[in-house]
Amino acid sequence: DQQVKQNSPSLSVQEGRISILNCDYTNSMFDYFLWYKKYPAEGPTFLISISSIKDKNEDGRFTVFLNKSAKHLSLHIVPSQPGDSAVYFCAAERMNRDDKIIFGKGTRLHILP
Amino acid sequence: DSGVTQTPKHLITATGQRVTLRCSPRSGDLSVYWYQQSLDQGLQFLIQYYNGEERAKGNILERFSAQQFPDLHSELNLSSLELGDSALYFCASSPPAGRGGYTFGSGTRLTVV
Repeated sequence: DQQVKQNSPSLSVQEGRISILNCDYTNSMFDYFLWYKKYPAEGPTFLISISSIKDKNEDGRFTVFLNKSAKHLSLHIVPSQPGDSAVYFCAAERMNRDDKIIFGKGTRLHILP
Repeated sequence: DSGVTQTPKHLITATGQRVTLRCSPRSGDLSVYWYQQSLDQGLQFLIQYYNGEERAKGNILERFSAQQFPDLHSELNLSSLELGDSALYFCASSPPAGRGGYTFGSGTRLTVV
């Protein structure tokens, strides 16, 4: 049972344009959402997060939007740069901080020159 | 360097064998999580330890076991290995309280031949 779903295994975007990565979740108890970025041969690194009490969080070129009614979140990268080429994992956790984070399967982002 | 150390980086072993993967968490972090990343399967949660005690279990096979020692390092033991156990195994750690996600190590790539 996939509680966090990333339905696009890969995405190609022209350098300088906007990259939009999507994520859906099924568990309404999730109250904190995260995006991780992973380069080959490295572990995932934390990118940006959002609490369920917000609908938007921005950090430089990265913005995460949360639509609780639709159980959907998205990560926007503007402008996209070559170094953004990586696998992006959407993740979610419940109110109990000791609970584990649930990850999606990831979306591989290719930034085209 | 994320502060989470995993050894070895690569491991090649034969079917039926047993291996031990080691993880040292970031200084001050009490929780250790183990995740498995197989092809197209995203990050699958295996098990969590908090200050030496098992806290949560995920899709961990009976052939697999883990423990966290008094110095907080953790070991993941994989026995009776099968070809399908070939994967990247990640360890992550988190501090005692608060949000912010996990810090991941660079992973151990296990190849079973």
